[in-house]
Amino acid sequence: GAVVSQHPSWVICKSGTSVKIECRSLDFQATTMFWYRQFPKQSLMLMATSNEGSKATYEQGVEKDKFLINHASLTLSTLTVTSAHPEDSSFYICSARDRNWGYTFGSGTRLTIV
Amino acid sequence: QKEVEQNSGPLSVPEGAIASLNCTYSDRVSQSFFWYRQYSGKSPELIMSIYSNGDKEDGRFTAQLNKASQYVSLLIRDSQPSDSATYLCAVNFGNEKLTFGTGTRLTIIP
Repeated sequence: GAVVSQHPSWVICKSGTSVKIECRSLDFQATTMFWYRQFPKQSLMLMATSNEGSKATYEQGVEKDKFLINHASLTLSTLTVTSAHPEDSSFYICSARDRNWGYTFGSGTRLTIV
Repeated sequence: QKEVEQNSGPLSVPEGAIASLNCTYSDRVSQSFFWYRQYSGKSPELIMSIYSNGDKEDGRFTAQLNKASQYVSLLIRDSQPSDSATYLCAVNFGNEKLTFGTGTRLTIIP
């Protein structure tokens, strides 16, 4: 089946630094990928839709200058959290539509800002 | 605003019994529906997808869709302790994005 690889699985950063999360579709091409954030005991909230070769589409209330998304190829999208602060600590998950039009999720990244 | 609603639970079911999870959604033109299982600290994994009215069965799982009532459900037969997880209902409202419900926490009691 379709596989989406996400790295790193967890990261701890100091406040004020930037951190990059990678999302790769391993066995299919993904023109569209999605980035979600999930706080403890809450559901997944869509942050943005990443489109290959064009700018990402952000959901209302998501700061595009803080959460930089780059979708440079059909198999790779990256999310960079810039100038991270403790309130950005969360579980970040990417997703891609596979060839069967299902949605496959990466394994997630646990981000902790100290 | 397009919404997906689930009972947050927790829902407790004895081992071997049938677990019934329900989901309602707000938009009649919704196209596709998904059930995901999420273990604590892990990302969601797809259980079932369903696109047309009726039942769809896969092993111990059955998804039921009623578009007229804007209702989708998931039945788990012969529940096992390993089925204990949060079950997320997700709907594609026709814009390629998935909208998730808040999830139902299911506990299977041995």
